[in-house]
Amino acid sequence: DAGVIQSPRHEVTEMGQEVTLRCKPISGHDYLFWYRQTMMRGLELLIYFNNNVPIDDSGMPEDRFSAKMPNASFSTLKIQPSEPRDSAVYFCASSGTGQETQYFGPGTRLLVL
Amino acid sequence: KQEVTQIPAALSVPEGENLVLNCSFTDSAIYNLQWFRQDPGKGLTSLLLIQSSQREQTSGRLNASLDKSSGRSTLYIAASQPGDSATYLCAVLLNYGQNFVFGPGTRLSVLP
Repeated sequence: DAGVIQSPRHEVTEMGQEVTLRCKPISGHDYLFWYRQTMMRGLELLIYFNNNVPIDDSGMPEDRFSAKMPNASFSTLKIQPSEPRDSAVYFCASSGTGQETQYFGPGTRLLVL
Repeated sequence: KQEVTQIPAALSVPEGENLVLNCSFTDSAIYNLQWFRQDPGKGLTSLLLIQSSQREQTSGRLNASLDKSSGRSTLYIAASQPGDSATYLCAVLLNYGQNFVFGPGTRLSVLP
């Protein structure tokens, strides 16, 4: 398996623009997690899905953030409109049962100017 | 609310030394605890997972222990090598959820 795949790897955009981050989990994994990592706040869980259904989105910072999982092999995290404080590394991870180890993607490094 | 802390924040040691990284958590109602490694610009890689009923796990030169009652875990690295240089994060999975709570990490530098 190729592991968790994220795209793009780097994104530079201007404030106010829409940003879409993409994730393909490991085949057969039922859980998908979106995290954000910054120097100030460390690694924070934004939202996670079980069998394509959002279970806990309490970590989503505000309404500008939305996430979808239309099928078992694809998820998106969208920021609209983006702001400079959204600059961070965004990770996607997947796991088999949710209580096993999580496998992380390489991350998307987002810079909002 | 579960809080996870790690001490020290950064550590620099000469090659060959044995070292211990510490992780503390405030709520002992955990399902398991994991140690991850993160290389610069990369994602996280799981190193060891300890179930709440276990006391320790070993993988090669790594040994992780868990004392759930005191809210502590340690990661022991034997005979450190420059390739061990990375940030090490611990994460706890609570009994009542499927999401991990991560510590801030310890940045380790092993000097040749």
